[in-house]
Amino acid sequence: QSVLTQPPSASGTPGQRVTISCSGSTSNIGRNDVNWYQQFPGTAPKLLIHSTNQRPSGVPDRFSGSKSGTSASLAISGLQSEDEADYYCAAWDDTLLGLWVFGGGTKLTVL
Amino acid sequence: QVQLVQSGSEVKTPGASVNVSCKTSGYTFNIYALNWVRQVPGQGLEWMGWINTYTGNPTYAQGFTGRFVFSLDTSVTTAYLQISSLKAEDSAIYYCARDVGGSGKNWLDPWGQGTRVIVS
Repeated sequence: QSVLTQPPSASGTPGQRVTISCSGSTSNIGRNDVNWYQQFPGTAPKLLIHSTNQRPSGVPDRFSGSKSGTSASLAISGLQSEDEADYYCAAWDDTLLGLWVFGGGTKLTVL
Repeated sequence: QVQLVQSGSEVKTPGASVNVSCKTSGYTFNIYALNWVRQVPGQGLEWMGWINTYTGNPTYAQGFTGRFVFSLDTSVTTAYLQISSLKAEDSAIYYCARDVGGSGKNWLDPWGQGTRVIVS
């Protein structure tokens, strides 16, 4: 059971806008930045969004992140077939000594 | 460029030990903490803990105490994960990842390519 809650799956057609939600609590998303990672089958996770809404160099501006209270969202506009992957949200949790917490992952299918 | 390169796949028998290495390059080693993350194939990401690359002090997540040891060799800018008394349920892909930014405003980047450990 993951600390952050994501829908297990999402889908959209090419060109569509898709959002993936990530729900947490006051000790993680409510207090700290949210990061998103993209993972293709057989490869390592790759940073997609950091600091809630910042794109690393090379990440298309079709990807955007936001946060409100204890929930966060990843939006993908102009969906492309190559966006089909697993997406994970993550945040630092201030419980006890602190720990990284992840969502269970959302498998995005481009129909 | 910043790189984390992990050691290759391992196949071990139950009860054995395994050492996974994470060789870093392209940045000052002792400035950024290193984290270890486990992923059972087909499942999500599970944080195992982190090691302070300046002091060498490790912090283990719940469920990863006792049989799991994080260590460093600063002379070769490499971090290690040792798992002892291996069990079938330790079969997974293990990733190292650099921690960037300040507490609460940090992220993991980059990640090593992963090391698959099979216990059978």
